[in-house]
Amino acid sequence: GAVVSQHPSRVICKSGTSVKIECRSLDFQATTMFWYRQFPKKSLMLMATSNEGSKATYEQGVEKDKFLINHASLTLSTLTVTSAHPEDSSFYICSARPISSGEQYFGPGTRLTVT
Amino acid sequence: AQSVTQPDIHITVSEGASLELRCNYSYGATPYLFWYVQSPGQGLQLLLKYFSGDTLVQGIKGFEAEFKRSQSSFNLRKPSVHWSDAAEYFCAVEADKLIFGTGTRLQVFP
Repeated sequence: GAVVSQHPSRVICKSGTSVKIECRSLDFQATTMFWYRQFPKKSLMLMATSNEGSKATYEQGVEKDKFLINHASLTLSTLTVTSAHPEDSSFYICSARPISSGEQYFGPGTRLTVT
Repeated sequence: AQSVTQPDIHITVSEGASLELRCNYSYGATPYLFWYVQSPGQGLQLLLKYFSGDTLVQGIKGFEAEFKRSQSSFNLRKPSVHWSDAAEYFCAVEADKLIFGTGTRLQVFP
């Protein structure tokens, strides 16, 4: 139980285009989902916290107009990287917190490469 | 502000040897503490967690960790390492959000 999926697992896009990453909780409902970014050989940095049906809360230094987050249902959150640039290339990981638990369950991550 | 320090960036051990990965945290109250493992290109898997109670916590894959309040530490241990344990290990503390350490890369030689 408590499986979180991400799609796509890898994506390559051209500079200036937008890309959407999906995060789904497969066997539980999550009122809260989190988006993290991981640079090579670095730790995970929280980008934003999204609550179902409300606006996401972004961490300091994260551009909300560039990283659009939508949490439209209790099992799906999306991260859209708008007007992507090579410096946006990174490993993006989502996590989901079940309604009944304080624990976060992590997705397998999405490798974004912007050329 | 809360923070997590993992002093060892890279550790190499022989298969069958014991392992200890260090983690120190900074937090004003009693923290929620976690250890995660990440295989290359993968997400994170929870190894174990400490919320309260017994300070020696047992986790999956034969790992354990001990919470020592006096030392602000939560070191991860395993008595006998297997080659499949080679991965990146992250310690984390949760207050209003999860704060991760910078990770320790474990390499296992046969």
